Amino acid sequence: SAVISQKPSRDICQRGTSLTIQCQVDSQVTMMFWYRQQPGQSLTLIATANQGSEATYESGFVIDKFPISRPNLTFSTLTVSNMSPEDSSIYLCSVEKSPSEGYTFGSGTRLTVV
Amino acid sequence: AQKVTQAQTEISVVEKEDVTLDCVYETRDTTYYLFWYKQPPSGELVFLIRRNSFDEQNEISGRYSWNFQKSTSSFNFTITASQVVDSAVYFCALSERSDSWGKLQFGAGTQVVVTP
Repeated sequence: SAVISQKPSRDICQRGTSLTIQCQVDSQVTMMFWYRQQPGQSLTLIATANQGSEATYESGFVIDKFPISRPNLTFSTLTVSNMSPEDSSIYLCSVEKSPSEGYTFGSGTRLTVV
Repeated sequence: AQKVTQAQTEISVVEKEDVTLDCVYETRDTTYYLFWYKQPPSGELVFLIRRNSFDEQNEISGRYSWNFQKSTSSFNFTITASQVVDSAVYFCALSERSDSWGKLQFGAGTQVVVTP
């Protein structure tokens, strides 16, 4: 399965600031997915990122708050903008390497907003 | 509406006991995929299994086994002879053809605690 490098692994940020999370995949993939896992909760899809087009956001998530870039087939970034303590979560990226394999997840970014 | 239900919030067992995790899903699609993931305390998500809707064969992988029953919309997961290293949160997830294939809808997760 694909190997994903996600950075940073964790960060503590001041409210009102922004953090950009990076995901690098070791092979080309069509779609990359960004999830949020709030403390003690399950995972929720934020958006789907295709190379060369705007990301598709799920209900409850907007581009102004979570802008996404997908400059090529191996890389994507998610920015958490104008952060508040409610944004404290683990953010994960995910890709599907092939239909026979499961979706691989990055190691996650544990964000704490103070 | 919740499409994947994991009714068990936490299960505690003593080592070597078997533990079964329930997963009930809801979909109108005839083509879909079901998944199980493990999330140990370190936080990473570990893929365990992917099953498509046309394959109802039960599967066994070492101490893990899965029982897929379309008639009851369930995809249950059993750990046989549990070990302390099995302590983690386990998530069941659904991917539907009518939606983006990559969109995984996760259940709430079941915390498994295995004590020596």
